[in-house]
Amino acid sequence: DGGITQSPKYLFRKEGQNVTLSCEQNLNHDAMYWYRQDPGQGLRLIYYSQIVNDFQKGDIAEGYSVSREKKESFPLTVTSAQKNPTAFYLCASSHRQGPHTEAFFGQGTRLTVV
Amino acid sequence: KQEVTQIPAALSVPEGENLVLNCSFTDSAIYNLQWFRQDPGKGLTSLLLIQSSQREQTSGRLNASLDKSSGRSTLYIAASQPGDSATYLCAPSVIRGTSYGKLTFGQGTILTVHP
Repeated sequence: DGGITQSPKYLFRKEGQNVTLSCEQNLNHDAMYWYRQDPGQGLRLIYYSQIVNDFQKGDIAEGYSVSREKKESFPLTVTSAQKNPTAFYLCASSHRQGPHTEAFFGQGTRLTVV
Repeated sequence: KQEVTQIPAALSVPEGENLVLNCSFTDSAIYNLQWFRQDPGKGLTSLLLIQSSQREQTSGRLNASLDKSSGRSTLYIAASQPGDSATYLCAPSVIRGTSYGKLTFGQGTILTVHP
């Protein structure tokens, strides 16, 4: 089945640790996105990539890093510099932008700091 | 910067009612606008996409309209069912400058349909 797979579903991080969230898509999409969702704040864009080996910061990139070495994969690393990482993280993908471009989302990873 | 507002924030209705969910946005330079559904603890499911040149789009009991010049979109849900209970999000996709292609989300409308 075509789609976006995020793993793990739940992730626990100790203070000072870096953790990496996985996002894989088999939809042959060029563009991929990472969003963070907090209660009452909606979705906010962390990073996005329109093409392999290129990515741009979104609205809340501080404390996060990404890579885009393959078209299918866009992992997100939450670094120790992110002071409040507990949130629900959503990955999305789409074809490159046009009027008909539709974005599709994965099932999310819930990250908790312990 | 695109700002998106959804009204109402929450809605509770009896089964069978026809519903209207409202979305407004500040930057009309958009490629399209998507409506999504999110169940608790889950990802987003795309419901409808309206291209910037379209006025409305329909899928089953759902109908979405778009008035780009006034920065408004409306999602109509006909004959609501308990299974429609979820959070509904709208997201325009902007064209302008460094925001190229990004979706901006409202905070959503939490819908509860009770039997």
